[in-house]
Amino acid sequence: KQEVTQIPAALSVPEGENLVLNCSFTDSAIYNLQWFRQDPGKGLTSLLLIQSSQREQTSGRLNASLDKSSGRSTLYIAASQPGDSATYLCAVNTDKLIFGTGTRLQVFP
Amino acid sequence: SQTIHQWPATLVQPVGSPLSLECTVEGTSNPNLYWYRQAAGRGLQLLFYSVGIGQISSEVPQNLSASRPQDRQFILSSKKLLLSDSGFYLCAWSRQLETEAFFGQGTRLTVV
Repeated sequence: KQEVTQIPAALSVPEGENLVLNCSFTDSAIYNLQWFRQDPGKGLTSLLLIQSSQREQTSGRLNASLDKSSGRSTLYIAASQPGDSATYLCAVNTDKLIFGTGTRLQVFP
Repeated sequence: SQTIHQWPATLVQPVGSPLSLECTVEGTSNPNLYWYRQAAGRGLQLLFYSVGIGQISSEVPQNLSASRPQDRQFILSSKKLLLSDSGFYLCAWSRQLETEAFFGQGTRLTVV
């Protein structure tokens, strides 16, 4: 059974710091891995999708890496801003999305 | 471009009452559709998914059901709500099972 774990559960940092959010999964048989952002009381916004054959994807200040063999992905946020404050979720796709419980990020000015 | 709509945004219902949440997708055809629930302090749980009209797969036994009467419409229902049905319900779509998924804005359901 696929299990997805995200560490840390919560993170509070000053503005400007570079951040690494971690996601691990137990079964490497995945189609892809997707990172989402969720603001309080809102739906999920897709940030990055990494196919199983890819090693990383970049979008602006965000960079996500995937090491399928070790069951790990990281989301790197460069030069964090208060607007980055949200919960970040990773999900692995094994013909359905299996989610981690998220990392709640707070970036303070 | 594709968009996904969910309504209502919030809902307060008494125990034992029926439920109907609707989700529609625009700008694509034959999408895969999903219903997820996010309970307080817990991760997202897949409830149902559908790869075509009338085709519904249930992931967990529960008090809910789903239907897909049209290609881009997905409905989550219950005949009698329980307190434990409270949560944040999210609809999502993807072109294929292994492609990127996109979510709606969710419905906050409180059963009282």
